[in-house]
Amino acid sequence: EAQVTQNPRYLITVTGKKLTVTCSQNMNHEYMSWYRQDPGLGLRQIYYSMNVEVTDKGDVPEGYKVSRKEKRNFPLILESPSPNQTSLYFCASRETGGEETQYFGPGTRLLVL
Amino acid sequence: RKEVEQDPGPFNVPEGATVAFNCTYSNSASQSFFWYRQDCRKEPKLLMSVYSSGNEDGRFTAQLNRASQYISLLIRDSKLSDSATYLCVVTPPNFNKFYFGSGTKLNVKP
Repeated sequence: EAQVTQNPRYLITVTGKKLTVTCSQNMNHEYMSWYRQDPGLGLRQIYYSMNVEVTDKGDVPEGYKVSRKEKRNFPLILESPSPNQTSLYFCASRETGGEETQYFGPGTRLLVL
Repeated sequence: RKEVEQDPGPFNVPEGATVAFNCTYSNSASQSFFWYRQDCRKEPKLLMSVYSSGNEDGRFTAQLNRASQYISLLIRDSKLSDSATYLCVVTPPNFNKFYFGSGTKLNVKP
């Protein structure tokens, strides 16, 4: 089954404790992206990757890091989480080179205390 | 100014009603347009792409007006199962970013 998976699905942590949210897709997509969703603000793009070893900032990259060492994986790293990073996070992937839509993972709910 | 703007609603309509949402975008060079549906903070799922000529999928019709920089979604014969938040999505010419509207909530009531 074609899918995007994220782990963990739910996470409660404390300020400053580094965490990683994993994202994996099995569709051989080149493009992957991370979003956060907050009430009233919609989904905002954090980082995206056009291919392996190619990453770029989205609209809200501050406080986040990503890496793309393999095509299928695109982890999101919060080196020192803060309460304002409490949010619902979605990973997505798609084919590049055209008007292809994105496929989203199920989301990760993060609470930073 | 936001890249994409939507009326947050909610739109409360009875079953069988026709309802329309609009979404405006700020970048006249935007290339691709989509409507996504999102249920209760679950992942967004593609409802339909929006083409310059307009397109229809069953009870759903999407249209693009480049001159006025808006896209629209029309839902005919609303069903209870249509209750959801509808997200408008726009991409720039190089397709590397996706700009989401904040969503329009639809409640279809019996």
